[in-house]
Amino acid sequence: DIQMTQSPSSLSASVGDRVTITCQASQDISYYLNWYQQKPGKAPELLIYDGSNLETGVPSSFSGSGSGTDFTFTISSLQPEDIATYYCQQYDEFPLTFGGGTKVEIK
Amino acid sequence: QITLKESGPTLVKPTQTLTLTCTFSGFSLTTSGVGVGWIRQPPGKALEWLALIFWDDDKRYSPSLKSRLTITKDTSKNQVVLTMTDMDPVDTATYYCAHRPTGYGYFDYWGQGALVTVSS
Repeated sequence: DIQMTQSPSSLSASVGDRVTITCQASQDISYYLNWYQQKPGKAPELLIYDGSNLETGVPSSFSGSGSGTDFTFTISSLQPEDIATYYCQQYDEFPLTFGGGTKVEIK
Repeated sequence: QITLKESGPTLVKPTQTLTLTCTFSGFSLTTSGVGVGWIRQPPGKALEWLALIFWDDDKRYSPSLKSRLTITKDTSKNQVVLTMTDMDPVDTATYYCAHRPTGYGYFDYWGQGALVTVSS
């Protein structure tokens, strides 16, 4: 199985801060990496697919980059509504695997 | 508009079999490339992919749970069913079904989730 390691597991930042989350795959997954946002008590929502493509309707304050084994997810300016847990997910091969999640809070 | 909804028991006893149904609308599981997957999330923990069924009845399972899982589809009812045998308290989780579009590896529409508690 491909292991997805997310860091940090949690972070606290101020409104307006730039927030960066990393996801490292245990082997080369090309660009086959997606990012989801999950708010408390809700289902995950797709934000970024194929490493860097913004899902329709998702604010441009969210972005993704990377390929191979190292990926980055960025919120350019943290807003109160961005409080959530963020997950990466690889689909290079089965089994599909998710990262452990990054919980983002407001300082 | 695509929607999915999970249904099934909220409480099962250890060793019992869990049967969850995902009823969907807004797409067809006869469309080339489309899939429906199941993902679960224990309370306070990360997401875990369980199974995926494609339009052509190709089925994929998590290797760690493969012996306990069966995924099937009923295209006439727009439903996907997941069964998990020999339930244990560690299987307590919210179970989600989700739509996987043709040609992509992501889940773009998710059900609201169904919390299943395993307890005697």
